[in-house]
Amino acid sequence: AQSVTQPDIHITVSEGASLELRCNYSYGATPYLFWYVQSPGQGLQLLLKYFSGDTLVQGIKGFEAEFKRSQSSFNLRKPSVHWSDAAEYFCAVDPYNTNAGKSTFGDGTTLTVKP
Amino acid sequence: EAQVTQNPRYLITVTGKKLTVTCSQNMNHEYMSWYRQDPGLGLRQIYYSMNVEVTDKGDVPEGYKVSRKEKRNFPLILESPSPNQTSLYFCASSSDRDYGYTFGSGTRLTVV
Repeated sequence: AQSVTQPDIHITVSEGASLELRCNYSYGATPYLFWYVQSPGQGLQLLLKYFSGDTLVQGIKGFEAEFKRSQSSFNLRKPSVHWSDAAEYFCAVDPYNTNAGKSTFGDGTTLTVKP
Repeated sequence: EAQVTQNPRYLITVTGKKLTVTCSQNMNHEYMSWYRQDPGLGLRQIYYSMNVEVTDKGDVPEGYKVSRKEKRNFPLILESPSPNQTSLYFCASSSDRDYGYTFGSGTRLTVV
């Protein structure tokens, strides 16, 4: 069965600093990989996704993520964090070759931005 | 506007009283899914659907039912709610599995 691990429950960064949120997955092959953001009291919004091709993918709001097959990782990055980026971030996987539509989310990382 | 609409947004009910949370999408998406979100547990998939009349269990299906009689609607049914089903529920839809999901605004359910 697939699984997703987000090792950091809570991260605090200063506004303007760089950000990296970690995501590791466990699956037999390369799955579909996603990052979502959830602002307080809101639903989730898709930031970016990866399945194949260039391992560095660009998303909305200035985010990017890098897929590393050897490390089974899909870490989310942003060069300069804005106060409005404070939210909860979820990594998710969808298996490639079976169970279309079945998805697994990590437990989330809460980002706090200091002024 | 393209969206996933859930109703109600908030619901307080009593143990054992059947309820339905509705979900509708206007994007002609094939895939739809229900999740529950609990503190420290992230999002867990309850049921998902690949198309009309095609549904399958997610990770936590016990105590829930779904149906997909029309492409746009995917209601979540709790036949006999219990307090451990108190949670924040999200419906989501997607045009294809590599597109990612569009989420509704959530339904906060409290079972007393």
